[in-house]
Amino acid sequence: QSALTQPASVSGSPGQSITISCTGTSTDIGNYNFVSWYQQHPGKVPKLMIFEVSNRPSGVSNRFSGSKSGNTASLTISGLQAEDEADYYCSSYAGSSSHVVFGGGTKLTVL
Amino acid sequence: QVQLQESGPGLVKPSQTLSLTCTVSGGSISSPSYYWTWIRQHPGKDLEWIGYIYNSGNTYYNPSLRSRVTISADTSKNQFSLKLSSVTAADTAVYYCAREPRGRDSLGYYNNWYFDLWGRGTLVTVSS
Repeated sequence: QSALTQPASVSGSPGQSITISCTGTSTDIGNYNFVSWYQQHPGKVPKLMIFEVSNRPSGVSNRFSGSKSGNTASLTISGLQAEDEADYYCSSYAGSSSHVVFGGGTKLTVL
Repeated sequence: QVQLQESGPGLVKPSQTLSLTCTVSGGSISSPSYYWTWIRQHPGKDLEWIGYIYNSGNTYYNPSLRSRVTISADTSKNQFSLKLSSVTAADTAVYYCAREPRGRDSLGYYNNWYFDLWGRGTLVTVSS
């Protein structure tokens, strides 16, 4: 069972916006701004999309944005495109007892 | 352009030791700017952070795996390695090597706890 809770699936139509939530506790997301998000297409390597809650690496589309409120982090994808269909994983630092923890992943379907 | 590539046996017997190597090309594992990390992804797709090495010898492990894990580096080959002892079927996973950028301020280096570059991954199955 993953330390961070994500919805198993979300879907949206091209052009729409969707948000994926990632719920943790006061010992991980709620206590640190070390939340990151990864995109993984089937059979491919995870790709960093967001780091430190809301920062985008160079080369990642500005359609991807991140935020945090309390113990929950969120990834929003605007202007959905077919290529966004993938699994998305959140991650957070959780202190010295666990270090890095991940969510169980959310499958995004673009209808 | 820095690239990471995992290598090692794809099949390990229960109770034996899993051994994998990550070869880094296009950059040096001696660089003070990164933690060199191992992460695995179980068949159900759950990701699990294993640990990292930096400055060619300093290591930090997931507490849940600490008793079985050793990460080491060979700077002459620009490689770092993972050994996981006493494996069981629960250790069956795709193993990735990855890179975590180190932050730096007036007090020294610190973790950023994200992974900006990953190897392609290698599936290790534990089975007799």
